[in-house]
Amino acid sequence: EIVLTQSPGTLSLSPGERATLSCRASQSVARNYLAWYQHKPGQAPRFLIYGASNRATDIPDRFSGSGSGTDFTLTISRLEPEDFAVYYCQQYASSPISFGQGTRLEI
Amino acid sequence: QVQLVESGGGVVQPGRSLRLSCAGSGFTFSGYSMHWVRQAPDTGLEWVAFLSNDGSNEHYTDSVKGRFTISRDNSKRTVYLQMNIVRLDDTAVYYCARGDGPGNWLIDSWGQGTLVTVSS
Repeated sequence: EIVLTQSPGTLSLSPGERATLSCRASQSVARNYLAWYQHKPGQAPRFLIYGASNRATDIPDRFSGSGSGTDFTLTISRLEPEDFAVYYCQQYASSPISFGQGTRLEI
Repeated sequence: QVQLVESGGGVVQPGRSLRLSCAGSGFTFSGYSMHWVRQAPDTGLEWVAFLSNDGSNEHYTDSVKGRFTISRDNSKRTVYLQMNIVRLDDTAVYYCARGDGPGNWLIDSWGQGTLVTVSS
């Protein structure tokens, strides 16, 4: 089973700043099958990034993903008020699918 | 527009059963794999189960193997999660989610979730 560890647990920033979220895998993620999701309380999670670096449909270009193997990063270039949420990375290369524990991005 | 609507959540006693349903619309339901993912109180997301578009391939997280069963009825555009012998630690919001293809693991759409509370 691939264990994903996200850091930091909580990130406190202001609108307009740059956010860098990290996701580290316990073993290499095949084909870089790594996705990112945004989750706000009471809402459905939102699909952001797949294949480590590809933006999903209608995702603003201030969101970008990078990395390969075991180290991955989600970057939000200029934070908007609506970006404050919890972010999860997920590997979908092998069963069981696994999520990181989440990074809370707060104002 | 993809829509996934879960139902069937509620309060259930330990050791009893519950069946969750998820109705899909806005896409060709029979062409996509489906997942269940849950979030226990004050914790993160946990993948629970996967089922391919034709029902031929299913996978489960270890903690629910032998207790939960994922199934689907493509004629009704619905996926189910039969939860048997429920435990206190099955308490969670359960999300239905769509895979991005017939046998694909990547999740590209989510429902709003249904709350399951296991309590005596």
